[in-house]
Formats: sequence, C-alpha cells, structure tokens
Amino acid sequence: DAKTTQPTSMDCAEGRAANLPCNHSTISGNEYVYWYRQIHSQGPQYIIHGLKNNETNEMASLIITEDRKSSTLILPHATLRDTAVYYCIVRAREGGNQFYFGTGTSLTVIP
Amino acid sequence: GAVVSQHPSWVICKSGTSVKIECRSLDFQATTMFWYRQFPKQSLMLMATSNEGSKATYEQGVEKDKFLINHASLTLSTLTVTSAHPEDSSFYICSARPAGGGNTIYFGEGSWLTVV
Repeated sequence: DAKTTQPTSMDCAEGRAANLPCNHSTISGNEYVYWYRQIHSQGPQYIIHGLKNNETNEMASLIITEDRKSSTLILPHATLRDTAVYYCIVRAREGGNQFYFGTGTSLTVIP
Repeated sequence: GAVVSQHPSWVICKSGTSVKIECRSLDFQATTMFWYRQFPKQSLMLMATSNEGSKATYEQGVEKDKFLINHASLTLSTLTVTSAHPEDSSFYICSARPAGGGNTIYFGEGSWLTVV
C-alpha cells in the first residue's frame, strides 16, 4: 500500500472549517483514500473514503486532486468533539484488506 | 450499523498468566477481522489478520505463539496473550470487515491490558 504523509499537528478554531491535508504521491490507480479518526483512548472511527471523485457525507468532505497524489479532509464546522488524531490511509480495493496506519494528524479544536 | 464490540474494555493480569480479549461484530458478519496494538502516543500497529475458519496471518515481528488468534465464527474473533509480561501492556484494538462486499473496516472500542 502507498505511504501517506500528514502534518503532525494542526489547530482549528471552533466553528471554522478544518482542512487536513494528506500526500500520497505514490498512490496506484486501484487504491482508495480512506480517512479515520481516533479520539483519545477509543477505537478509530471511519469518516469517509474515495477513489478519484470528491466525496461528501454527514461528517466531512473529501477532496482528491486530479492527479490523485494528495487529498484534503474537510470538517466544515469544527467542534470541540472533533479534537482527535486523523489518519489518512490508502489501500487497494482488491487483494489484501489490511489497513496500515501512519502517524496521522493531531487536530486540536480551540474554543 | 457496523458495530464492533470488544470485551473486556480493560484488564489487569499478573505476569506469566494469559488473558483473552474478545471481538464481536454485533450487527454484521465479518469474514475478516484484524488485531492492532497501540502504545501510548504511538499509531496503531497491525498485528494480524484473522479469517473465519482459517489460521491467522501475522505481521512480521509478531510472535504467533504468544498472540493466539481464533476466528471460529463470522461474528467472533479472540486474541489470547499468553504468558503475558509487562512489556505486553498496551491498548489492543480489533476491527472487522463486513462480509459480502465493501472494503471499509470498523473498529472496536479497544481493550486496555496492564500486566503487573
């Protein structure tokens, strides 16, 4: 699976949009981009995933660049409960199902 | 939907004893489950992949005789830490992939193991 690069930490003001970037320059054509988050001392929570089109659900939006080498997770109106570590993972649809986690981005939402 | 439950949430055991952690998919069947370990301030490390009815596949460096994994049904996988030592103290997390399609995996709440 392709490796991902994320900033170690970010801050965001409560109520503002949080934009979390992820670089995956070696992504293959059959690899999806997944985002999970982990609130302290809990299991990771699925947020969203996509292949090449932008995606939106009730939690967030995922913007994938046209060359697919990077993506941005957008939390439109961050709340204090969004403070967590956010992981960007790329994996192929076929073959192994394993999810390998990188170091993620620690997002702190500030009141 | 897609709820994964782990039990116990936390456990303390004496050094040299074994401890079992259960992972259940509550509202779906899971042909594949995964076990992770996470040390404080670190990311999740995949330990093994568990397929229902077959032997688990362990990641490089993970001792299969120490971390016994059983996936006897489509809704239950167990991780047994044998002859536990203080260095095995960690946060153990399982995840499950729903059978019948879809590639998203869902995680349990995690289990804290402290070996004293």
